[in-house]
Amino acid sequence: EAQVTQNPRYLITVTGKKLTVTCSQNMNHEYMSWYRQDPGLGLRQIYYSMNVEVTDKGDVPEGYKVSRKEKRNFPLILESPSPNQTSLYFCAGQGARSGANVLTFGAGSRLTVL
Amino acid sequence: AQSVTQLDSHVSVSEGTPVLLRCNYSSSYSPSLFWYVQHPNKGLQLLLKYTSAATLVKGINGFEAEFKKSETSFHLTKPSAHMSDAAEYFCVVSEDVGSARQLTFGSGTQLTVLP
Repeated sequence: EAQVTQNPRYLITVTGKKLTVTCSQNMNHEYMSWYRQDPGLGLRQIYYSMNVEVTDKGDVPEGYKVSRKEKRNFPLILESPSPNQTSLYFCAGQGARSGANVLTFGAGSRLTVL
Repeated sequence: AQSVTQLDSHVSVSEGTPVLLRCNYSSSYSPSLFWYVQHPNKGLQLLLKYTSAATLVKGINGFEAEFKKSETSFHLTKPSAHMSDAAEYFCVVSEDVGSARQLTFGSGTQLTVLP
């Protein structure tokens, strides 16, 4: 079954304590991306990656880092989390052969920064 | 530049009655349009997509949407709501068929289905 797996699903942390949200896909997708979802704002793209070692900023990249050292994994790193990064985060993937711009989403990671 | 506006943040219907979720878009090119659904504590799932073929698009679970260029709309409908349809729905626009980088999400419509 095609899957995008995120961990952890829920996390409560404190300001300044580095954390990583992992994302793994089993679909051999070239393209992967991270979104955050906030009430009334829909989904906003944080970072995306077109392939291994190729990453670029989305619409709201401040305070986040990513890496793409291998095709299946695309971790989201918060070096020094702040309360305004409290949000619901989604990882998504899309293959070159999939339908136009159709994304497969993970189940989400709810992060609370105190 | 592209944008998408979901005209209702909340819609409430009774089970068995029709569903209408409204979406207007703005695009400089011929866009691709999508509807995604998000059930509680789940990721987003594609309902249907329009990519310049037939203007009436049928999706999963009995949903359909009609692309109306003159009205710049892509409203989502279903003839008869079911309790399992209660979820949040997102309209999405893309100008670049080749890259999901250019997706713009609406702010979402929460659908409540009353018994």
